Amino acid sequence: DTAVSQTPKYLVTQMGNDKSIKCEQNLGHDTMYWYKQDSKKFLKIMFSYNNKELIINETVPNRFSPKSPDKAHLNLHINSLELGDSAVYFCASSQLQGSYTFGSGTRLTVV
Amino acid sequence: KQEVTQIPAALSVPEGENLVLNCSFTDSAIYNLQWFRQDPGKGLTSLLLIQSSQREQTSGRLNASLDKSSGRSTLYIAASQPGDSATYLCAVRLGTGANNLFFGTGTRLTVIP
Repeated sequence: DTAVSQTPKYLVTQMGNDKSIKCEQNLGHDTMYWYKQDSKKFLKIMFSYNNKELIINETVPNRFSPKSPDKAHLNLHINSLELGDSAVYFCASSQLQGSYTFGSGTRLTVV
Repeated sequence: KQEVTQIPAALSVPEGENLVLNCSFTDSAIYNLQWFRQDPGKGLTSLLLIQSSQREQTSGRLNASLDKSSGRSTLYIAASQPGDSATYLCAVRLGTGANNLFFGTGTRLTVIP
């Protein structure tokens, strides 16, 4: 199936740990994104990346870092997890003029 | 700064009713507008994409309109069904660059059987 897939679907971890969320798209899109959905269900951009440019939302702590081994993958690495990092994280991709396609989300719970 | 507002925040209707969801945005220089559906605990499903040069798009029982000059879009759902119950999000894109998609706060729709 053509899609944006992200793993894991659920992630429970202790404060201070380092974790990664993986994302892959097989749509041939140029740009991939990470969004955070908070407890009020508001979606906010964290990063966008194509093979030439990484754009970081200035409000994102530097404990968060995207890593892209190739055009089809954009993984999210988080260092020193904090309670406030608990949220649902969505990966997405788009073509230059097209619509966005979202993954099914990763629910991160920091305890 | 682009701000996207959706009204109402929540809506309950009896099955079979036609309904309209509203989305407004402050910067009319948009590239396109996209409507999504989000089921509880799930990801976002794209419903309709309207380019800035278009006035409306239709898919099945869904019709989305766009009035760029007034900064408004509506999503019309005909003959609502319980399966339509979800949160509906609109998102505007300001350009072809990255980091240009701005989401509204969503309308939570409940269709009562």
